[in-house]
Amino acid sequence: NAGVTQTPKFQVLKTGQSMTLQCAQDMNHEYMSWYRQDPGMGLRLIHYSVGAGITDQGEVPNGYNVSRSTTEDFPLRLLSAAPSQTSVYFCASSMRDRAAYEQYFGPGTRLTVT
Amino acid sequence: SQQGEEDPQALSIQEGENATMNCSYKTSINNLQWYRQNSGRGLVHLILIRSNEREKHSGRLRVTLDTSKKSSSLLITASRAADTASYFCGQGASISSGSARQLTFGSGTQLTVLP
Repeated sequence: NAGVTQTPKFQVLKTGQSMTLQCAQDMNHEYMSWYRQDPGMGLRLIHYSVGAGITDQGEVPNGYNVSRSTTEDFPLRLLSAAPSQTSVYFCASSMRDRAAYEQYFGPGTRLTVT
Repeated sequence: SQQGEEDPQALSIQEGENATMNCSYKTSINNLQWYRQNSGRGLVHLILIRSNEREKHSGRLRVTLDTSKKSSSLLITASRAADTASYFCGQGASISSGSARQLTFGSGTQLTVLP
């Protein structure tokens, strides 16, 4: 199994541009999540999904959209990039209830918005 | 916010010594999970302890949980240079917020093991 994969690894955007961060998992996990990690802030939950067709907001959802058309994929869209979205983004998946089972994290996407 | 905190923020020890990190949280939990993050990588799950457990072991790791004090500790015995990483605790909520229960993380402890 490849586990959780994320693309791209690095990305530089100009303010106002849009882009999609890709996330895929091959473990048939129901739960998928997107986090951002900023220095001194730990990981903060952006959006999550409990299954195909179901998404919900996390702690910091503004400026981001998600969709879950398949079990495997959970892309994160930045609608109009802002410097405040400069961060490292992690996608994670878990077998079932995220709060009760271990999460598997992808390697991350380092995003810089200028 | 349910976010807890790890303590200390940074810890530097010699190889062979034990390392202890603490995690405090604010609300009721179903479980507490510890993760490791090597520089530039994603988080890797280490150990999960449920709210009805008090202590759990995995290799050189020992985790304790005190729900009355809302705190947990992670002990790494006989540390190695390869243990150098950031360590995070994730608190698994006992009730749902939105469509699922939340797992929230603290800001981590940066452990440096000197050879």
